[in-house]
Amino acid sequence: EDQVTQSPEALRLQEGESSSLNCSYTVSGLRGLFWYRQDPGKGPEFLFTLYSAGEEKEKERLKATLTKKESFLHITAPKPEDSATYLCAVQATTDSWGKLQFGAGTQVVVTP
Amino acid sequence: DAGVIQSPRHEVTEMGQEVTLRCKPISGHNSLFWYRQTMMRGLELLIYFNNNVPIDDSGMPEDRFSAKMPNASFSTLKIQPSEPRDSAVYFCATRLAGDNEQFFGPGTRLTVL
Repeated sequence: EDQVTQSPEALRLQEGESSSLNCSYTVSGLRGLFWYRQDPGKGPEFLFTLYSAGEEKEKERLKATLTKKESFLHITAPKPEDSATYLCAVQATTDSWGKLQFGAGTQVVVTP
Repeated sequence: DAGVIQSPRHEVTEMGQEVTLRCKPISGHNSLFWYRQTMMRGLELLIYFNNNVPIDDSGMPEDRFSAKMPNASFSTLKIQPSEPRDSAVYFCATRLAGDNEQFFGPGTRLTVL
């Protein structure tokens, strides 16, 4: 069975203090790994898709990387507006419809 | 585009009552997903449709749950009868065929007393 484990569960950062979030996954074959951001009271918002080991994607202060067993979301010099829950999800090669298995998320709080 | 529209945004009901949640997908998106989010279980996929046809309902927890997509512009998730353990935030998400990104609605927060 596909599994996605995110760590840590929660992260408190000072503004400007860079850090990384981890997403470990177990899937028979990886079609894609997805990162989403979720703000309180809202639906998840798409950030990145990664397809193969070694791939990297960047968006503003966020950078996602992928290995064969895990993905990292690096937050460089975070600002308070980066506070959110970050969700990781995987899609297996056996699925072609967009079926995603989500992790529990990492709640990030950035203080001024 | 208004994005994915869900209604109601909040629903409070009593145990045993029927609950109907509604979703209007983004125009042109032909894949639709229903999720449930709780603190204990996180975000779980319940059922998804492609071109209005249910593809996989293995995530639907019990026969009390049912979902329909009568046309490309509308889907419903029904719980009958509702139970307190059904309390959660229910999200609808849609996707354009061939794209990776799922666009989520704002969710419906359901409380069953």
